[in-house]
Amino acid sequence: AQSVTQPDIHITVSEGASLELRCNYSYGATPYLFWYVQSPGQGLQLLLKYFSGDTLVQGIKGFEAEFKRSQSSFNLRKPSVHWSDAAEYFCAVVSKTSYDKVIFGPGTSLSVIP
Amino acid sequence: DTGVSQDPRHKITKRGQNVTFRCDPISEHNRLYWYRQTLGQGPEFLTYFQNEAQLEKSRLLSDRFSAERPKGSFSTLEIQRTEQGDSAMYLCASSSWDTQYFGPGTRLTVL
Repeated sequence: AQSVTQPDIHITVSEGASLELRCNYSYGATPYLFWYVQSPGQGLQLLLKYFSGDTLVQGIKGFEAEFKRSQSSFNLRKPSVHWSDAAEYFCAVVSKTSYDKVIFGPGTSLSVIP
Repeated sequence: DTGVSQDPRHKITKRGQNVTFRCDPISEHNRLYWYRQTLGQGPEFLTYFQNEAQLEKSRLLSDRFSAERPKGSFSTLEIQRTEQGDSAMYLCASSSWDTQYFGPGTRLTVL
């Protein structure tokens, strides 16, 4: 069965520091991978997505993610974090075998110290 | 493109009451999904519509839950005889192919 794990439940970084959020997936074929961000009490906003091709993908708000098939990973990175980046981040995979429903990881909560 | 909208944004109800939520997808999207998110968890799939046809339902969707999408446009999710365990954020998403765009969600609190 498809699944997504995010090993870090909560991460705290200082403003201006670099950030890496980890994501691992279990999937039987080439996955479609996503990162979404959710601010408190809000819906989910798409940050970036990977379908195929270049394994380094750029997203909105200065985020990027790298797909590594050998490690079954799709880690999210940002070189310099802003206080407004504090939010919940979800890694997700689309199930191509079941009507494209999105399978989400448990999320990583990011706190930013001014 | 006005995005996916959901109404209401917040709903407080007493146990045993019925509630109905509405989702208006992005106009050209033929696929519509409902998800449920509890505190500290990622969203979980509930059901999927392609146009007006409901093609998949999760086992999370008990017989107290029903969803419709008449005419393949907006969708409603109804919960009958609400229970405290139904308290959650209910998220709607729409897509035309393989990227889902989410609405702001409806926060349900069952007292």
